[in-house]
Amino acid sequence: EVQLVESGGGLVQPGGSLRLSCAASGFTFNTYSMNWVRQAPGKGLEWVSYISTSSSTIYYADSVKGRFTISRDNAKNSLYLQMNSLRDEDTAVYYCARDNREGTLPDYWGQGTLVTVSS
Amino acid sequence: QSALTQPASVSGSPGQSITISCTGTSSDVGGYNYVSWYQQHPGKAPKLMIYEVSYRPSGVSNRFSGSKSGNTASLTISGLQAEDEADYYCSSYTSSSTRVFGTGTKVTVL
Repeated sequence: EVQLVESGGGLVQPGGSLRLSCAASGFTFNTYSMNWVRQAPGKGLEWVSYISTSSSTIYYADSVKGRFTISRDNAKNSLYLQMNSLRDEDTAVYYCARDNREGTLPDYWGQGTLVTVSS
Repeated sequence: QSALTQPASVSGSPGQSITISCTGTSSDVGGYNYVSWYQQHPGKAPKLMIYEVSYRPSGVSNRFSGSKSGNTASLTISGLQAEDEADYYCSSYTSSSTRVFGTGTKVTVL
């Protein structure tokens, strides 16, 4: 069974930093590309970032480019999101999502971790 | 990358059929057969319902079907049931190799 478990969310002040983690199990992690997707309270889904299997290809949404860094450790079956210079508008539930076999769109999602940016 | 456009809400009575549209551009929906649909119940993670425009993952009811014409994809739910009441999001692969989601549609079963 595919399992994705996010952690690391919490309350942080504007301008602060936070590192999210996603522990993967139930599949061969190093053969799937991964994504972070977020959802602000009461709002829709917003794609945040993508990383390929070997970390050679990385993409970011314009809203987080230059502030967020996605990474992965295939030996630890883990995905990460380093978030710096956080803003109020970054407040959201952050989901870790596995891409499908073709590496085009997510198929499995974690339960999410809440990040609240507030003073 | 702008969000794909979906109607804010769609409703129907039990047993009826409803269709949700998802409009993008030739750089996303119209350019690829990589459109997925997700169901999200309150407080839960999204669940994949349709992939590659019209394919259903194992375990998803055949009451759910997908199609695409030009820059608009559609999700149809036939034989509407109370458990189908949820938010639905489309998503597309893009020409920039990124992903874009739709604005979301709240489905209400009357």
